[in-house]
Amino acid sequence: DAGVIQSPRHEVTEMGQEVTLRCKPISGHNSLFWYRQTMMRGLELLIYFNNNVPIDDSGMPEDRFSAKMPNASFSTLKIQPSEPRDSAVYFCASSLFRNTEAFFGQGTRLTVV
Amino acid sequence: DQQVKQNSPSLSVQEGRISILNCDYTNSMFDYFLWYKKYPAEGPTFLISISSIKDKNEDGRFTVFLNKSAKHLSLHIVPSQPGDSAVYFCAATPNNAGNMLTFGGGTRLMVKP
Repeated sequence: DAGVIQSPRHEVTEMGQEVTLRCKPISGHNSLFWYRQTMMRGLELLIYFNNNVPIDDSGMPEDRFSAKMPNASFSTLKIQPSEPRDSAVYFCASSLFRNTEAFFGQGTRLTVV
Repeated sequence: DQQVKQNSPSLSVQEGRISILNCDYTNSMFDYFLWYKKYPAEGPTFLISISSIKDKNEDGRFTVFLNKSAKHLSLHIVPSQPGDSAVYFCAATPNNAGNMLTFGGGTRLMVKP
């Protein structure tokens, strides 16, 4: 398996623009997570899907952030409008069962200027 | 409030010696704990885990110890190798939260040849 695949690897955008990050989880995994890593806050969970349904989005910082999982093999994280403080590395992860390890993608480094 | 803390931001160890990375948590609902290793420009990769019903789990050179009464866990790497140089993250999750991980801030391990 190719693992969790994220695209793009790097994104540079201007403040106010819409940004869409994409994730393909490992085939057969039923849980998907979006995390964000910043210097100030470290790795923090944004949203958790189970069987394509959002279970917990309490980590989503603002209404500017939204996430979807239209099917078991694809998820998006959208920021609209983007702000410089959204600059971070965004990771997608997937796992098979509760209390098994989550597998992370390589991340998308977002820079908002 | 940081529910998972790694108080040492960095650790330097000589090759062949033992590396001990520490982690403290405050949430008594956490009952599954994981260690992840992260290289630059890559996503975190799972290393080892432990359930709260155990106090030790071993996998090759890596051993995780859990002290529930102290809310403390540690990762031992013996013997340390230069390839172990990376950032190590401790993570925890409650049993009823799927794999919604709360991460510590990470410890950068440097193993000197």
